[in-house]
Amino acid sequence: ETGVTQTPRHLVMGMTNKKSLKCEQHLGHNAMYWYKQSAKKPLELMFVYSLEERVENNSVPSRFSPECPNSSHLFLHLHTLQPEDSALYLCASSVNRGSYNSPLHFGNGTRLTVT
Amino acid sequence: QKEVEQNSGPLSVPEGAIASLNCTYSDRGSQSFFWYRQYSGKSPELIMSIYSNGDKEDGRFTAQLNKASQYVSLLIRDSQPSDSATYLCAVKRVQGAQKLVFGQGTRLTINP
Repeated sequence: ETGVTQTPRHLVMGMTNKKSLKCEQHLGHNAMYWYKQSAKKPLELMFVYSLEERVENNSVPSRFSPECPNSSHLFLHLHTLQPEDSALYLCASSVNRGSYNSPLHFGNGTRLTVT
Repeated sequence: QKEVEQNSGPLSVPEGAIASLNCTYSDRGSQSFFWYRQYSGKSPELIMSIYSNGDKEDGRFTAQLNKASQYVSLLIRDSQPSDSATYLCAVKRVQGAQKLVFGQGTRLTINP
C-alpha cells in the first residue's frame, strides 16, 4: 500500500466521547501534519511533526491531542469535543531536509461529526 | 487582511475555454507557491508549484507568479468537465517547518 492512509473515513461522536484518528504514510517522509477543513473556510494547520518532534501547534484547544510514535504514524486523540469541531480532518506528509521541503501529500481525510 | 485570498466562486467556464484562477497573498517574504485541486469529497492533490517570477507550464496548466504584486494565478487551457473542482492556492512562508497557508479555494465548474 502506498500514499497516506487515514482511518476511519467517517466518525460520529458525542460530546463526551473519546476517540482517535489515525494516519499512516508509506512514502518514506519525515514530517506529518494535521489540518482541519471546515465548510467555506481555508484549510487550517493544527499540528506539525518533523522527525517525530512536534514543531508547530497552532493554538489548538487541548481537547485535540496529537501523538506521533514514529515517522510513519500520526494520531489525533479527541475528547470532550464541541459541535463546532465537526469538520474534515486531513493528514499530510512531506520530506523536510533543512531548507528543502517537498510538497504535501494528503490523505483522504476523516469526516468528523460531533453531536 | 487574509493571508491568502481567493475568490470563492463559483467560477463557470465553458468547455474548451481558458479558466483563470487568481490568488493574492499578504506575506511579502513568501517563497513557494502551490496550486492544489480538490474534488468534492476527496483530499487535495498538488497540480502545480512555482518558486520564481514568471510563468511555469505543465500540460494544460500554467502557473504565473508576480512577487512584486503578491499575486499568483493558475490558467487551465482547453478546460474539460473533469477539471471541475475546488482549486486551493497555498503559500509557504519563509520561516517555520513547512508552514503552508491555504486560501479558502475557488470552486470551478466547466460546462459541457
